[in-house]
Amino acid sequence: GQSLEQPSEVTAVEGAIVQINCTYQTSGFYGLSWYQQHDGGAPTFLSYNALDGLEETGRFSSFLSRSDSYGYLLLQELQMKDSASYFCAVLNQAGTALIFGKGTTLSVSS
Amino acid sequence: DSGVTQTPKHLITATGQRVTLRCSPRSGDLSVYWYQQSLDQGLQFLIHYYNGEERAKGNILERFSAQQFPDLHSELNLSSLELGDSALYFCASSETQGLLTGELFFGEGSRLTVL
Repeated sequence: GQSLEQPSEVTAVEGAIVQINCTYQTSGFYGLSWYQQHDGGAPTFLSYNALDGLEETGRFSSFLSRSDSYGYLLLQELQMKDSASYFCAVLNQAGTALIFGKGTTLSVSS
Repeated sequence: DSGVTQTPKHLITATGQRVTLRCSPRSGDLSVYWYQQSLDQGLQFLIHYYNGEERAKGNILERFSAQQFPDLHSELNLSSLELGDSALYFCASSETQGLLTGELFFGEGSRLTVL
């Protein structure tokens, strides 16, 4: 099966940088996805890392280390609107479903 | 707007009842996924259909069932409802059977409250 661990909560102030870590265990690894969900809303896709290294998309970056079964989401120049839950996810062994972690609630204050 | 449509947005019912949640995927997407999100819980994968056929099953209770119709819309049926079934139910879609880019497109969800 698959299991993912990420911190339950992170707090930061506007303008700061925050890193949300994710460690995973899976019997077959394809890649690591990140999703953002504002309170009760639809989860939205942020990034996907299949290979080791850092992927940058604007203020958000995502990193993967396959050898360490570890990844993180880096959010820079934090804004109030970044307050949300962030989920890491991996594919199941057959590659036919995304399995999500329990999510990290990010609270950004002014 | 992801292009995935779910109805109803809100539903309140009583224990023991049965409800049906409906999902229309994005135009052209053949895969539909159902997820359950309870309070303070992550997204629990329930089931995946591709072009009308079941492709993967997660932690779906026997009281729950789903199907995907020829027009590709999907329905999730929840029966003998219990208080613990109160949750947000999300539908998501993708173009292919396998998630090559790890990207799903989620609907706005159906919030079920069982009293």
